Amino acid sequence: EAGVAQSPRYKIIEKRQSVAFWCNPISGHATLYWYQQILGQGPKLLIQFQNNGVVDDSQLPKDRFSAERLKGVDSTLKIQPAKLEDSAVYLCASSLGNQPQHFGDGTRLSIL
Amino acid sequence: QKEVEQDPGPLSVPEGAIVSLNCTYSNSAFQYFMWYRQYSRKGPELLMYTYSSGNKEDGRFTAQVDKSSKYISLFIRDSQPSDSATYLCAPSGGGYQKVTFGTGTKLQVIP
Repeated sequence: EAGVAQSPRYKIIEKRQSVAFWCNPISGHATLYWYQQILGQGPKLLIQFQNNGVVDDSQLPKDRFSAERLKGVDSTLKIQPAKLEDSAVYLCASSLGNQPQHFGDGTRLSIL
Repeated sequence: QKEVEQDPGPLSVPEGAIVSLNCTYSNSAFQYFMWYRQYSRKGPELLMYTYSSGNKEDGRFTAQVDKSSKYISLFIRDSQPSDSATYLCAPSGGGYQKVTFGTGTKLQVIP
């Protein structure tokens, strides 16, 4: 079974620029999550999708972050404009029903 | 008070030692308890998954949950250098409820 795929693995941008991350979940997994993991901290949920509908986006900074999951499969997370404090690893996870989440290896974002 | 508290370490032990990793939590609604292992520059990997109070064993790993004291433990027997990683406790209310991650404990097993 192929795991959660994410790209790119690394991204370096300057503050105020925009950036997008892509995630392909495990086949058949209806629930998809985006997390932000700052160095030395645990993952923090940004947004949770059930198929292509949003279940929880309470911790998504909506003035600069957006996410979509068209057709209920792949998802993209965008930041525009980026701030220095957005430097983090962005993790995508997926799950089947109420089973535990499986994570991708993340995109490491550095803001200069 | 954070919902989940976890000592960040780092914890350094010699190979073969028994390791005890712990978390406390405050939300009584948590019913499912996960431990994830995260290697450097990798995503978290599910290690153990338990429901409610009690023990669960899988090879060298034992997860223990005491809901009365809101205390979660992970024991690693005969620790190996390959166990060197960050261990994240992650309780949840179950279903589609949010998983709340601890800060992670960084473990180093010295050969």
